[in-house]
Amino acid sequence: DTAVSQTPKYLVTQMGNDKSIKCEQNLGHDTMYWYKQDSKKFLKIMFSYNNKELIINETVPNRFSPKSPDKAHLNLHINSLELGDSAVYFCASSLGQGSLEQFFGPGTRLTVL
Amino acid sequence: QQQVKQSPQSLIVQKGGISIINCAYENTAFDYFPWYQQFPGKGPALLIAIRPDVSEKKEGRFTISFNKSAKQFSLHIMDSQPGDSATYFCAASRGQGAQKLVFGQGTRLTINP
Repeated sequence: DTAVSQTPKYLVTQMGNDKSIKCEQNLGHDTMYWYKQDSKKFLKIMFSYNNKELIINETVPNRFSPKSPDKAHLNLHINSLELGDSAVYFCASSLGQGSLEQFFGPGTRLTVL
Repeated sequence: QQQVKQSPQSLIVQKGGISIINCAYENTAFDYFPWYQQFPGKGPALLIAIRPDVSEKKEGRFTISFNKSAKQFSLHIMDSQPGDSATYFCAASRGQGAQKLVFGQGTRLTINP
């Protein structure tokens, strides 16, 4: 009965590899987000999708590519991983793009060696 | 640039005391100010939020005080309990359209029993 779920919870990989993080929400929400939380716990939005359409795209390297196969899923693919990509990545969702409350998943801790 | 500045970075309060966390923002277009609570290993969860048309909002032991002219808002936790120990984030966004939450740096709150 998890509202926003992410897989995997932990991801350890080598520099230069390509990896994906998956996110699913069962809340019936239209809007989904990806956030990055760095080692100092600073949270910053990366992307937002509304009904599979990209509506927010912050200044993120184009090695990061979100994909929304349907409005319940938003995956994050990262190419050519770098040390600086190590962080906790959070998926979130909200009822609609104008809805104020965002519901966050448990996070995926990515470690790049 | 850091649009939302939060202080202190860490805070230790005795059980039963009042915890106070402060935030200041720069963008006068912001009109939605939430506080999120994050426990270790979990995603942030909305605690309480305020719009700038009121100066204070109270929900149980949690109160937001808002000063529009000073562009500051704060979270007060009355009768602080050990279960309140968590990281607290203030945030701000424009209350309409795509919700791009801008977060403060976070405050690690520890309530000593």
